[in-house]
Amino acid sequence: EVQLVESGGGLVQPGGSLRLSCAASGFTFSSYEMNWVRQAPGKGLEWVSYISSSGSTIYYADSVKGRFTISRDNAKNSLYLQMNSLRAEDTAVYYCAGKNLVGATYFDYWGQGTLVTVSS
Amino acid sequence: QSVLTQPPSASGTPGQRVTISCSGSSSNIGSNYVYWYQQLPGTAPKLLIYSNNQRPSGVPDRFSGSKSGTSASLAISGLRSEDEADYYCAAWDDSLSGPHYVFGTGTKVTVL
Repeated sequence: EVQLVESGGGLVQPGGSLRLSCAASGFTFSSYEMNWVRQAPGKGLEWVSYISSSGSTIYYADSVKGRFTISRDNAKNSLYLQMNSLRAEDTAVYYCAGKNLVGATYFDYWGQGTLVTVSS
Repeated sequence: QSVLTQPPSASGTPGQRVTISCSGSSSNIGSNYVYWYQQLPGTAPKLLIYSNNQRPSGVPDRFSGSKSGTSASLAISGLRSEDEADYYCAAWDDSLSGPHYVFGTGTKVTVL
């Protein structure tokens, strides 16, 4: 069974840090491009960051650039998001999502999300 | 803020056809593939359409996508009660600060 399970969310004060993890199973994680996507309460989807299958290519949304760091460990089938200098506007459910195009078949998997609340 | 614009809502009766538009620019829809996602209440998004008009395995052929210039559309034919959800378009944007994946503003589909 394909699974992406996020963890590490919680309540943090403004200016604080948090590290999110995403554990993958049931598919060849090292072949998948990965993204973090967030959704503020009652709002739409916002892309946060992308990392290629090898980890050699990384992109960030302007809203998090310089504060967040995406990384992956293919040996551990895991994706990470280090979040520093957190702000109230970073409050959201954070989803990890993986995608891979194999021949004519597109695979797209999402986790259930982990809630990050930034508040004093 | 989102650079892809969608109508906030759309509705139809069971069996009807509903179309959702997504308006972008030359740096995103105009030069890259469009994706569509469905998000049922309280759940993670699910990919409905990739590469403008392709359906992943398991997505009913009632869902179809199209693209023309800097705009795209998602059509749901034979509307069913289980289609009531939020729908988002998305595309890569070739911004000056590097590639960004942008989502649309989202459209809530209501089945009357």
